[in-house]
Amino acid sequence: GESVGLHLPTLSVQEGDNSIINCAYSNSASDYFIWYKQESGKGPQFIIDIRSNMDKRQGQRVTVLLNKTVKHLSLQIAATQPGDSAVYFCAEKRVGGNQFYFGTGTSLTVIP
Amino acid sequence: DADVTQTPRNRITKTGKRIMLECSQTKGHDRMYWYRQDPGLGLRLIYYSFDVKDINKGEISDGYSVSRQAQAKFSLSLESAIPNQTALYFCATSEQGFFQPQHFGDGTRLSIL
Repeated sequence: GESVGLHLPTLSVQEGDNSIINCAYSNSASDYFIWYKQESGKGPQFIIDIRSNMDKRQGQRVTVLLNKTVKHLSLQIAATQPGDSAVYFCAEKRVGGNQFYFGTGTSLTVIP
Repeated sequence: DADVTQTPRNRITKTGKRIMLECSQTKGHDRMYWYRQDPGLGLRLIYYSFDVKDINKGEISDGYSVSRQAQAKFSLSLESAIPNQTALYFCATSEQGFFQPQHFGDGTRLSIL
């Protein structure tokens, strides 16, 4: 399953399928990006980060892809599990800045 | 993240009351932040502090104040609460450096009647 950033705030996938969550960021001067996972009643949990000098970074079952040309960030989750159900959002940090700017997120539901 | 503890977890109060939300961390991070989260909006920064003697306003600081009592403690105050300050509030910490992620507590749900 795949979402398109802020315009599709929900995504449903079958357990075991791969998920792709997208984020369109706003500022070409952004230099650092993070994906967070937020479960109901909990705070955002760091998943993976990437610097602007990279195009791809992999973690355990997750991959972040960065396309600076179109200012697009994606999070791929392999073999999605019920425990992956949560809201996922991206954050960007701009060169010379101290502040992160957060997206509104995509709600991922994993269907058993 | 159990290393960042927020108290209280829930609070209901009335318009005009003074409220303090507290945050403590055992991560040993120098930098601490307060955010609010509203439905349909991304997290927005209220205040941040890079060390005990440093306080900086974020994008929505009006109506709020903070105190950094120690490296591990950062409190947020609403001097005279108003209903549109009803929100979920998060404290976060990070290490020094530009390329450092923030680590969040589990939030305080604040309702102002």
